[in-house]
Amino acid sequence: DTAVSQTPKYLVTQMGNDKSIKCEQNLGHDTMYWYKQDSKKFLKIMFSYNNKELIINETVPNRFSPKSPDKAHLNLHINSLELGDSAVYFCASSQLVVETQYFGPGTRLLVL
Amino acid sequence: DQQVKQNSPSLSVQEGRISILNCDYTNSMFDYFLWYKKYPAEGPTFLISISSIKDKNEDGRFTVFLNKSAKHLSLHIVPSQPGDSAVYFCAAAGETSGSRLTFGEGTQLTVNP
Repeated sequence: DTAVSQTPKYLVTQMGNDKSIKCEQNLGHDTMYWYKQDSKKFLKIMFSYNNKELIINETVPNRFSPKSPDKAHLNLHINSLELGDSAVYFCASSQLVVETQYFGPGTRLLVL
Repeated sequence: DQQVKQNSPSLSVQEGRISILNCDYTNSMFDYFLWYKKYPAEGPTFLISISSIKDKNEDGRFTVFLNKSAKHLSLHIVPSQPGDSAVYFCAAAGETSGSRLTFGEGTQLTVNP
């Protein structure tokens, strides 16, 4: 009965590949997010969706494309992976737009 | 520009004592502040929050203090327990930042038995 789940938990892949990370929340929240935690441990927002509509799109390379098939899911697709994409990616959700966010366990991506 | 700063990367305290974690911010439009706790290999979990209309919020052993004039907030944990050992992130949000939470870089708290 995990509130916010992500798959896979670990992802090791070669440079140039395309990969997807899936996120699902069962909290009934309207807003979902993707964060990146880099090697310096900063958590930085990448995207936010509210009711399947993109509301935040930070300065992220267009190789990253979020997709929200419904408000319980927000997937992240990454094309042409680069070494610098190696990081931990966290999905989160909240009921209202500015409110407490609940995080998934993270996906550890390593690009070789 | 780092709008939320946690200047202490680590803090070590004895079990039973008080832990005080500090956070400073620069954006005066922030009006909602949160603390998250993160264990290794897990996502951050919400701990406590405070809105700018208050200067203190308490939840069990955890109290957050907000000093708006100094743009400073702190998290007090009393008494500290070994299970509190984790990385603590301060985060801030405001209407002008939409739904963005701006995080500090985290403080590793170690509570020694």
